[in-house]
Amino acid sequence: GAGVSQTPSNKVTEKGKYVELRCDPISGHTALYWYRQSLGQGPEFLIYFQGTGAADDSGLPNDRFFAVRPEGSVSTLKIQRTERGDSAVYLCASSFGAGADTGELFFGEGSRLTVL
Amino acid sequence: AQSVTQLGSHVSVSEGALVLLRCNYSSSVPPYLFWYVQYPNQGLQLLLKYTTGATLVKGINGFEAEFKKSETSFHLTKPSAHMSDAAEYFCAVSGFNRLAFGKGNQVVVIP
Repeated sequence: GAGVSQTPSNKVTEKGKYVELRCDPISGHTALYWYRQSLGQGPEFLIYFQGTGAADDSGLPNDRFFAVRPEGSVSTLKIQRTERGDSAVYLCASSFGAGADTGELFFGEGSRLTVL
Repeated sequence: AQSVTQLGSHVSVSEGALVLLRCNYSSSVPPYLFWYVQYPNQGLQLLLKYTTGATLVKGINGFEAEFKKSETSFHLTKPSAHMSDAAEYFCAVSGFNRLAFGKGNQVVVIP
């Protein structure tokens, strides 16, 4: 597709369960970002990939959160032992180079996670 | 650390009236500043950006913003609101390989 694709668009799970959220960036974009947007808040940085490696994971809130990008394209955000406070919209964005500094981030529509 | 402040989560404006959304930033380095817009059921998209050079920048759909270093501001304006401008608007500042976003302004356009 032409844009950033995120699946699933909606996920409802029970407290304590494991969840995976997938992001398929724009072809050729080397940089990939995950953000989290809670109700009434702006997007909050989680992790930044440049190629296959996590260049900055300082935004991950705790060790229950983990993300991978094994081939430098698709990325998966993994959340273990989900808690009600994890409920939010998880946004993925991609860009050429280090897009956050000077360029434009292209965002997907997000994955809405609800933890019951 | 980089940060931005947007006041007033909900902004109501009459159709045809001026749209003004305020953004103040804090940055330890010369900032690159952005406004993003999110229409219902769509992803965030770039409205306009300031990196260097001209301090008045023009974006899509008739929006513009002016970088004022002395006021640490990057307010967004549009002379005449249209119904299609109803959306959520986010100011952001770049630094350290990320964008830091404000809390956003939900704009409602009243016919």
